[in-house]
Amino acid sequence: ETGVTQSPTHLIKTRGQQVTLRCSSQSGHNTVSWYQQALGQGPQFIFQYYREEENGRGNFPPRFSGLQFPNYSSELNVNALELDDSALYLCASSLGGVETQYFGPGTRLLVL
Amino acid sequence: QKEVEQDPGPLSVPEGAIVSLNCTYSNSAFQYFMWYRQYSRKGPELLMYTYSSGNKEDGRFTAQVDKSSKYISLFIRDSQPSDSATYLCAMSNPTGTASKLTFGTGTRLQVTL
Repeated sequence: ETGVTQSPTHLIKTRGQQVTLRCSSQSGHNTVSWYQQALGQGPQFIFQYYREEENGRGNFPPRFSGLQFPNYSSELNVNALELDDSALYLCASSLGGVETQYFGPGTRLLVL
Repeated sequence: QKEVEQDPGPLSVPEGAIVSLNCTYSNSAFQYFMWYRQYSRKGPELLMYTYSSGNKEDGRFTAQVDKSSKYISLFIRDSQPSDSATYLCAMSNPTGTASKLTFGTGTRLQVTL
């Protein structure tokens, strides 16, 4: 059984650019959640996908968007990057249960 | 005011000490309570979860939830240098639209030899 994987591990972009981050959920998990973790802070909920539909969204602007595919893998897209978007982006998968969200290693994004 | 408050530390203890980590929260709708451990430059790792009030023990770790005080704790017995990490509390309201987790800021723990 493979755990949650994310790609790329690190990314450097400039302000105004667009970025796509990818996540493969743990085998059998149908729910993927994305979180943003700024330095020295706890993760902040961006949104969640369940069976390819957005199932809830945190306090993030529309330039943060996502997709979930039939194999339950997921993408996070961020348009018009801002300096404050620099953070660790975490993906967590679960089988619907709140208490069993398992996190990937994250993608560290730096916006210059 | 944040929904979940957690002292960021750092907390430094000698090897073998009992460690107490705590969080307070304001949302009385929270029903699921979790503790995650996060090593530097890694993703959070689920340590324990508790539903509603009570205690839960797993090896050297004990989680306590006091819903009347809106206070949760994680105790680590016989602490080891390998326990040095950031500990994040997280909680959730199961009746919400999504099973989102609301995290504290994390407490950085250093266990010294």
